[in-house]
Amino acid sequence: NAGVIQTPRHKVTGKGQEATLWCEPISGHSAVFWYRQTIVQGLEFLTYFRNQAPIDDSGMPKERFSAQMPNQSHSTLKIQSTQPQDSAVYLCASSPDSAETLYFGSGTRLTVL
Amino acid sequence: GQQVQQSPASLVLQEGENAELQCNFSTSLNSMQWFYQRPGGSLVSLFYNPSGTKHSGRLTSTTVIKERRSSLHISSSQTTDSGTYLCALSNNAGAKLTFGGGTRLTVRP
Repeated sequence: NAGVIQTPRHKVTGKGQEATLWCEPISGHSAVFWYRQTIVQGLEFLTYFRNQAPIDDSGMPKERFSAQMPNQSHSTLKIQSTQPQDSAVYLCASSPDSAETLYFGSGTRLTVL
Repeated sequence: GQQVQQSPASLVLQEGENAELQCNFSTSLNSMQWFYQRPGGSLVSLFYNPSGTKHSGRLTSTTVIKERRSSLHISSSQTTDSGTYLCALSNNAGAKLTFGGGTRLTVRP
């Protein structure tokens, strides 16, 4: 069991470019979560899926952020027209059924210049 | 206002000392979890503890729902315990976790 896999580990983009972050949850886990971590804001919830269906995206900035889960083996977080304030570590987590125990990936550190 | 507050924000110990980390919350609780994070590292789940007391090695977690608090006790601290400890709660089954700001622990040899 390789755990939750996130790629890339680091991504540097120029302002206005698009960034796509990938997450492979633990096999058999039905819930997938995306969080963002910064020094100032700490850990912030973005969105989550259960059985591939979007359940709660209340934490997602509405205009430039989107997340998909096309199949049970991966989810993507896409940020269009990236801005410097999007710089953060983006964390993906999965759980077997509910939020009882979350297993986090190592994160993708996004730097927008 | 902030739903989950942790204290202290930072703590420095000498190796061998004990630590008590606090997590206070202002909303109803369905689940409470404690996580550990090394600098630049991922989060590792320590406890899923919505109520009562749980033990794991030198760690003990106690959640008292009616007092809206949870604590993490570390006994006989070691330098490898250094890092950030985060509590997180959800108020609906399967819903998002709301994290506290964390306690940054430094254990000196």
